[in-house]
Amino acid sequence: GAGVSQSPRYKVAKRGQDVALRCDPISGHVSLFWYQQALGQGPEFLTYFQNEAQLDKSGLPSDRFFAERPEGSVSTLKIQRTQQEDSAVYLCASRLRTENSPLHFGNGTRLTVT
Amino acid sequence: AQSVTQLGSHVSVSEGALVLLRCNYSSSVPPYLFWYVQYPNQGLQLLLKYTSAATLVKGINGFEAEFKKSETSFHLTKPSAHMSDAAEYFCAVTLLMFSGGYNKLIFGAGTRLAVHP
Repeated sequence: GAGVSQSPRYKVAKRGQDVALRCDPISGHVSLFWYQQALGQGPEFLTYFQNEAQLDKSGLPSDRFFAERPEGSVSTLKIQRTQQEDSAVYLCASRLRTENSPLHFGNGTRLTVT
Repeated sequence: AQSVTQLGSHVSVSEGALVLLRCNYSSSVPPYLFWYVQYPNQGLQLLLKYTSAATLVKGINGFEAEFKKSETSFHLTKPSAHMSDAAEYFCAVTLLMFSGGYNKLIFGAGTRLAVHP
């Protein structure tokens, strides 16, 4: 497929468990973003990668959140010791290096922490 | 700092009626502005964008938006609503990160559009 792919689509975790969310961006896209979308809210910026470099992690809500993109393609967002407030849809988006190029979003991973 | 405010979290219109979704922005530099649509359980799809060219921007599915600097607005309109337009709509502004040479999108809280027969 030509779009941004995220897996799993749905994840239920018990409070305290660790989770890993995967994002496969469009091939050749240099820029990759993670957003968190709480129920009834707009997406909130979490972190940004340019190739394998994490240039901005200012939106990560706590040190329990960690993201990586070791080879500049697939990215993983990891949440340690999940809390109920982590329940949200996590969106991944990618685009070409050109800043005016459109941002392509995946369908997201819906995380529910019970 | 750049931000957007969407007035009205829910808008309901009749099929065939005018759609107007409001967005006001705050930006210390000339903004790039966007409208995205989100259908249930899906990601965001770009409807249209303003990048300092024509102030009236036409997008997909018959939507358009007009950039009005004097009103700091970028309202989304469609002359005639269709049932398939029912979705969540997000206005967004670009936040320029000069030190890193990139930009990121700052989203509004969204407006849920309902279309009834």
